[in-house]
Amino acid sequence: QQQVKQSPQSLIVQKGGISIINCAYENTAFDYFPWYQQFPGKGPALLIAIRPDVSEKKEGRFTISFNKSAKQFSLHIMDSQPGDSATYFCAAADRTLPKLIWGLGTSLAVNP
Amino acid sequence: EPEVTQTPSHQVTQMGQEVILRCVPISNHLYFYWYRQILGQKVEFLVSFYNNEISEKSEIFDDQFSVERPDGSNFTLKIRSTKLEDSAMYFCASSDYSNQPQHFGDGTRLSIL
Repeated sequence: QQQVKQSPQSLIVQKGGISIINCAYENTAFDYFPWYQQFPGKGPALLIAIRPDVSEKKEGRFTISFNKSAKQFSLHIMDSQPGDSATYFCAAADRTLPKLIWGLGTSLAVNP
Repeated sequence: EPEVTQTPSHQVTQMGQEVILRCVPISNHLYFYWYRQILGQKVEFLVSFYNNEISEKSEIFDDQFSVERPDGSNFTLKIRSTKLEDSAMYFCASSDYSNQPQHFGDGTRLSIL
């Protein structure tokens, strides 16, 4: 119940295309869902996060869509750029436990 | 922008030796965390720390691990008797409240020989 399932494991997108990464969870106590971006040799950097009181959150080219009934959330990267090539992690947490539960990560490559 | 800083960036240690990984969290943050990432695998929670005590720990965080906030700025992870399987990237993170955005350092790569 503590798992967060992330797919796909890897993704190749053409420059200008849309990258979509999906995550699913089972624990209904989760109420915070961040996405992190990680470049090689660097720590995870918070990209965008959502709470279950909204179904969508957009920041620039990055959008989280959240489906509470399906217990799924996804990251959409619009107009994908080569500089977006990185590993993306979804995560989840609940307010009673100060820890993040992580997905396995998606390696995104954006071809020029 | 405030950052979490970690030292050293790479630590090589003989199996059985003690190692201390150091972190300086963001100054006004109250919650501190350690995670690890074995090469090519997912990020795993180790421990969270608040108000000078452990608030949550995982099954990975056994008796060989300990954390400390020795002064007002540093947060350390000690591994008492390292094993080969402790080889990983160790990330420190901090947040101003529980269940709030956690900000990560760039990690310490720990290599056990």
